[in-house]
This record gives sequence, C-alpha cells and structure tokens, in this order.
Amino acid sequence: DGGITQSPKYLFRKEGQNVTLSCEQNLNHDAMYWYRQDPGQGLRLIYYSQIVNDFQKGDIAEGYSVSREKKESFPLTVTSAQKNPTAFYLCATQGAGHYGYTFGSGTRLTVV
Amino acid sequence: GQQLNQSPQSMFIQEGEDVSMNCTSSSIFNTWLWYKQDPGEGPVLLIALYKAGELTSNGRLTAQFGITRKDSFLNISASIPSDVGIYFCAGHHPQGGSEKLVFGKGTKLTVNP
Repeated sequence: DGGITQSPKYLFRKEGQNVTLSCEQNLNHDAMYWYRQDPGQGLRLIYYSQIVNDFQKGDIAEGYSVSREKKESFPLTVTSAQKNPTAFYLCATQGAGHYGYTFGSGTRLTVV
Repeated sequence: GQQLNQSPQSMFIQEGEDVSMNCTSSSIFNTWLWYKQDPGEGPVLLIALYKAGELTSNGRLTAQFGITRKDSFLNISASIPSDVGIYFCAGHHPQGGSEKLVFGKGTKLTVNP
C-alpha cells in the first residue's frame, strides 16, 4: 500500500532539546510539505521541498530545520530556538501534475 | 499573499440536519479542494473541483466551484455522528509560482446524536 508514514505518533521533549520528526513516503511524489497545526489556527506551512536536495521556507520556518537527501524522506527538526513547539505536526506530499496533497497521520509533540 | 476565508468557524448541529460551509477569496483560484480531518489524524481529500461552475458529489457531500472562481461551498446532507471533524477548503492560485495550496482555517463540525 502506498502512503505516508509519520513517526512517532506522540513525542515528548524536554525544553532546550532538539527533536526530529520523521516523514517517509512510498508514493514517488516529488513535493513534500511540513505543516504545524494549533487548536483553532488551521494549517501553517513550515517548510516545503519540490525536489531532492532543495527546500524552501514556509510562513513559520523560524526554529525549524529540514533536509531532503532522498525523495522518500523529509525529516523535520524542531530546534531549541522554537519558543513554542508544542503542536500537532503534519507532513504532506504532492504528485507531479496534481494539486491535491496526501497527508500523513501526524505527530503530536509536547514539550515537558 | 492569497488568503481563503472559510466560514463558519464552527458548527453545532443535530444528527440528520444538513450542513453548509463556504470559502471565499478576493482573488481567483483555478482549483478548489475540500478536506476532512478526523480528531488526531491528518486531513483526507473529500472532493476536488477543477472548473468554474463545477458541481461534484461524493455520497452525502456536494461541493461547487463558484462561477466567479473566487468561492466554493461544501454541503453535507443528513449528517451523522461520524461527520464530526474539521473541514478545510484549499485552493491553487494560478499565479502562485508553485504548486503550493492555500488553506482556509477550517470549519469545526460537531454533530449531536
């Protein structure tokens, strides 16, 4: 079955620590996206990548970093510079010639 | 940048009632999409619209691409408890310079049995 795997589903982090969220896809989609979702805030774009070894900042990139070394993988690192990291994080992909996104099931990050 | 105004922000309805929500923009879009997000999960595509005036159904769901290309609505008929969730509209702007979608802020639907 083709799809997107986000792991882990739940993640707890101590203040001051970096943490990496995983997003893996076997859909052979070129474009990948990371969104942050807070209650009542909708989806806010953090970073996106349209091709391997290239990525662009979204609307709220500060305190986050990404890499795109393989087509299948687009990990997101939440750094200690992100002041309010507790949120639900969604990864999405987009196939060539298609406008719709396919979303993963999300990772809920809680800073303790 | 382009923005989508989605309304209402939340809805509380009784099981069996019909539901209507919409999305508007000050600029034209050439694609409209409607997604549903169940609690704790990622959004799932419900309906995609590609032509102005297009009316598309998916079971109890009906969506239309506005003739002005600046709006879209989603109707749900005879709501059931599993319709609970957040519904997002999304669109692709023809001059966006990329394939990125613009998302509305969502309509949170609660259905009382």
